[in-house]
Amino acid sequence: SAVISQKPSRDICQRGTSLTIQCQVDSQVTMMFWYRQQPGQSLTLIATANQGSEATYESGFVIDKFPISRPNLTFSTLTVSNMSPEDSSIYLCSGSLNYEQYFGPGTRLTVT
Amino acid sequence: DAKTTQPNSMESNEEEPVHLPCNHSTISGTDYIHWYRQLPSQGPEYVIHGLTSNVNNRMASLAIAEDRKSSTLILHRATLRDAAVYYCILIGIQGAQKLVFGQGTRLTINP
Repeated sequence: SAVISQKPSRDICQRGTSLTIQCQVDSQVTMMFWYRQQPGQSLTLIATANQGSEATYESGFVIDKFPISRPNLTFSTLTVSNMSPEDSSIYLCSGSLNYEQYFGPGTRLTVT
Repeated sequence: DAKTTQPNSMESNEEEPVHLPCNHSTISGTDYIHWYRQLPSQGPEYVIHGLTSNVNNRMASLAIAEDRKSSTLILHRATLRDAAVYYCILIGIQGAQKLVFGQGTRLTINP
C-alpha cells in the first residue's frame, strides 16, 4: 500500500498570486496524478506527473497555469499560477501501485 | 474511455445489505471495472475491481453481469461509516491507470 501526504492542507490566497502544493508518497509508486474537485462536484484529472519529464495534461488544463514537477518516484508538486476565485477547489494528488490508486487528503484552496 | 451510469443517490439502513448498480453498456473486452469511494472530507479510496468473474474482499463484493454491461457493488452489512460517494470507473488494460470520475452515487446510511 501507499500513504500520501499533501502540504499545505488548506490555504487562502489572493488573486494573482501562485501556490505550490507538495505531494509526498511513502513508497515508490508507478504513476502520480493531480486532480481537482470543485465544491460539490466530482474529481477532474488535471495531469499525469511524469518522473523527470514534462507532465501530461488533460484537455482544458495547460502547463502555464498548472506547472507540475516530479523529480523522483515519491514526490511531486503542483503550482496553481496567477490564481482567480474560479481556482478555489480541493486539489488532490494520487499515486498508483499495482491495480490501486491511493489518494492524498487534498489541499483546500480558497482564492479571494 | 467507456462511460458509466450510476444513480445519483441511494439510501439504506444500518446493518442491511446495499446494492449499488452501475451500467457500462459500451465496455470493451479489456476494460476492468473498478469501484472507489470518497468518504466526507477525504480523498477517494479503492474498494474493489474485477474483469469478468464476481469478486469478494473484506470491504465488499462485486457482481458482474454475464454480458459485462452492468455490475453491482454489494456492501453486505452497511455501517454508518459506509456513507460516501461511490464511483464506478472503467480502466482499460492499456490504460495509464488514470481515473475518470463520473458523478457517482451518494450513499446515505440511516441509523
